[in-house]
Amino acid sequence: EAGVTQFPSHSVIEKGQTVTLRCDPISGHDNLYWYRRVMGKEIKFLLHFVKESKQDESGMPNNRFLAERTGGTYSTLKVQPAELEDSGVYFCASSQDLGQTETQYFGPGTRLLVL
Amino acid sequence: AQSVTQLDSQVPVFEEAPVELRCNYSSSVSVYLFWYVQYPNQGLQLLLKYLSGSTLVKGINGFEAEFNKSQTSFHLRKPSVHISDTAEYFCAVSVVGSNYKLTFGKGTLLTVNP
Repeated sequence: EAGVTQFPSHSVIEKGQTVTLRCDPISGHDNLYWYRRVMGKEIKFLLHFVKESKQDESGMPNNRFLAERTGGTYSTLKVQPAELEDSGVYFCASSQDLGQTETQYFGPGTRLLVL
Repeated sequence: AQSVTQLDSQVPVFEEAPVELRCNYSSSVSVYLFWYVQYPNQGLQLLLKYLSGSTLVKGINGFEAEFNKSQTSFHLRKPSVHISDTAEYFCAVSVVGSNYKLTFGKGTLLTVNP
């Protein structure tokens, strides 16, 4: 079974440009989470999808970030326009159900550098 | 709100030595506790988790952790480390009955030297 995959693995863009990150969860996983780690800081929650619906987007930093999960399969996270402080590692995780025994499986992350 | 403190940002040890990575948390509600590991160039992998029951939890690769409610701690231990244990370790919590989003500590980089 394939794990969570993320694309691209690295992205270097200039301030003001747009970047779109993609996450493919494990097949059959309804729950999809986005997290971000800014250099030197902790990994922070951004948002949570259940299928195609946003359940919790309390961690989204501002309206330059837009996440979608059309069809309830893969998800995209778009940053437009990118700012220097958006640099960091963006992780995606998925889980099958919401329950105390459920484990979140993480992808390898996308390393974003905004110059 | 919940918070997680990992007291050591870096822990160097020699191979075959014991190690303890410390984690304290703060929460006004019941939480579940987790330890994740990130090996170089890989994603986060679950080591172990505490949900309820026995306070001593055993995980993969010989790691274990003990939940101490009175001290709000969840320290990770291994009696004898290997070079391959070199990685970054993250302690995390999620609120019971929530959407299970994780609140992480800043991570501890464990370096095992020969």
